Amino acid sequence: AQSVAQPEDQVNVAEGNPLTVKCTYSVSGNPYLFWYVQYPNRGLQFLLKYITGDNLVKGSYGFEAEFNKSQTSFHLKKPSALVSDSALYFCAVRDPYSGAGSYQLTFGKGTKLSVIP
Amino acid sequence: SQTIHQWPATLVQPVGSPLSLECTVEGTSNPNLYWYRQAAGRGLQLLFYSVGIGQISSEVPQNLSASRPQDRQFILSSKKLLLSDSGFYLCAWSHVTGQGRGDTIYFGEGSWLTVV
Repeated sequence: AQSVAQPEDQVNVAEGNPLTVKCTYSVSGNPYLFWYVQYPNRGLQFLLKYITGDNLVKGSYGFEAEFNKSQTSFHLKKPSALVSDSALYFCAVRDPYSGAGSYQLTFGKGTKLSVIP
Repeated sequence: SQTIHQWPATLVQPVGSPLSLECTVEGTSNPNLYWYRQAAGRGLQLLFYSVGIGQISSEVPQNLSASRPQDRQFILSSKKLLLSDSGFYLCAWSHVTGQGRGDTIYFGEGSWLTVV
């Protein structure tokens, strides 16, 4: 079974400082990994994904994430945080060896990011 | 470009009343379609997914049902709502590409359901 953990319920960072939102996963084989952002009372917006290839993935709004197979992690990062980055962030994993017809993403519980002016 | 529309945005329904949430996708054909529920502003739970017209898979047994009467239309229904059905419901789609299970899932803006 696939699972994903976001160990921090909340992350606070000062505007202009680098930010990291942590994610670890568990799957049978090589994972497909995703990050989404959710603003209050809105749907989830796709930020980036890792499927294969370069371990550093660049996405929307200046975000990037690094796939680390040995640590089974996929942390989201941004060099300089903006107040507008304050939102709820979800990591998700899909196991490529999950049963035929199973397309679901398994989501973490989310991390609330607050960027302090 | 593809867009997803979901309605109504908010809904207040009494216990025991029926429910119908609708979702349509534009700009693509034969998408995979999904209904998720988000409780307490956090965790997402997959309720149903569909890989084609009339093909519905249920992930969680409950008093909700889903239907796909047209290629790009996905409907979430209930005959009798329970208080526990309250939550934020998200429709989503993915386009089946050569990436297979690496396909991105794109979400609608969600529907707030309050059962009173």
